[in-house]
Formats: sequence, C-alpha cells, structure tokens
Amino acid sequence: AQKVTQAQTEISVVEKEDVTLDCVYETRDTTYYLFWYKQPPSGELVFLIRRNSFDEQNEISGRYSWNFQKSTSSFNFTITASQVVDSAVYFCALSIYNQGGKLIFGQGTELSVKP
Amino acid sequence: DADVTQTPRNRITKTGKRIMLECSQTKGHDRMYWYRQDPGLGLRLIYYSFDVKDINKGEISDGYSVSRQAQAKFSLSLESAIPNQTALYFCATSDFSDRTDTQYFGPGTRLTVL
Repeated sequence: AQKVTQAQTEISVVEKEDVTLDCVYETRDTTYYLFWYKQPPSGELVFLIRRNSFDEQNEISGRYSWNFQKSTSSFNFTITASQVVDSAVYFCALSIYNQGGKLIFGQGTELSVKP
Repeated sequence: DADVTQTPRNRITKTGKRIMLECSQTKGHDRMYWYRQDPGLGLRLIYYSFDVKDINKGEISDGYSVSRQAQAKFSLSLESAIPNQTALYFCATSDFSDRTDTQYFGPGTRLTVL
C-alpha cells in the first residue's frame, strides 16, 4: 500500500526565517510521481512542483527548493527567507504510474509566518 | 476565467436532502476527479473518470454517486446527505497525454450538512 506522511502538523516561524516541510512516502512501485500543493487561507489548491521517481535532482524556484532522496523516501520542501504570504497549508502527494493518476495525500502541514 | 470551476461554492443543507455539486473545466483534460478534504486527513479520493464512459470508485465512494455528462463536466451527488459528509469538496482534472497526471484543482465547494 502507498502512504504519505507529513509529521509536522503545524509550524510557526517569524518572517525571514528559513523553514523546511518534511514529507515521507511509502511505495513498492518503481515509477511514481511526487507533488507539493499549497492551500492558502482562501482555500484553493495550487500546484507547486512535480518530481518523478527517476529524477533525484534537487530543484530551486526562487525562494522555494525541494530535496528528493529515494534512499530515505523523502521529498522535503524548503522555503528560504519566509514571508507572510507563505502562510498556508502545504500538502505532499504521491501518484503511481499506471494507476490512473490517483493522488495519495499527506495530512498537510499548516505553516504560519508571523511578521 | 478559471480553468476549473465548481458550483456552488458554499452550500448548507439538511440531513436527508439530495444535493449535487458540479464541476466544469475548460482545460480540455480527459480525466476528472472528486476529492473531499477533512481537517487532519488531507484529501481523499471519492470518484474519478478517465472519459465519459469510464467512471471508477475511489477510496471513499460510499454515500456518493457521480455523472460525467460531457468531457468538460463531472457532477458529484449525495443522494441523502448526512452530517459526516460535511467537508470541503474539490474537483480536479488531468491530461492523459501528460504521463505524470498532474492534477489541477477547482476552488472547492464547502458543504455543511445539518
């Protein structure tokens, strides 16, 4: 069975601090995809990034970076110099190739960035 | 205009009532999904559809039904609503030609069953 665990339920930081959101996944499949979504207070789900299981390169996009490590089954998300607008719930999700694209979500991490 | 729209955005109903949530998309995607979000549980898949003639149950389909009226429309029905169906419901779409099946979500429908 597949599973995604986000052990951090809530994180609170002060603006300009760096923060890392943890994501650990479980699957026996060799081809899969990992995602991060952001849910701001307005409620919509915003796609942030996708990574496939064959690509362990880290990715950086502005203040956001992602560290994918198959050895530890982790796909962690770091926000550098956090801002109040980063306050949101962040979800990590997993989908297995050839299983219809069904997303398996973690429980979410609520990030609060205080001024 | 938004690519994935959901109506209504908010709905309050009573136990036992039938209710339909609608989803429309202009992305031209063939795959559509319904999820529900509950606090502390993330999102869970209710139903998904690969095309108009292909509908599949997800993790928590009991108490729900769906209809794919057209490639662009996917409706979720609660035949007899109960309070534990109070949740935030999301519709999502993806493109089969995108092998990663990246899903794009609508704005959500907040449903309260009294």
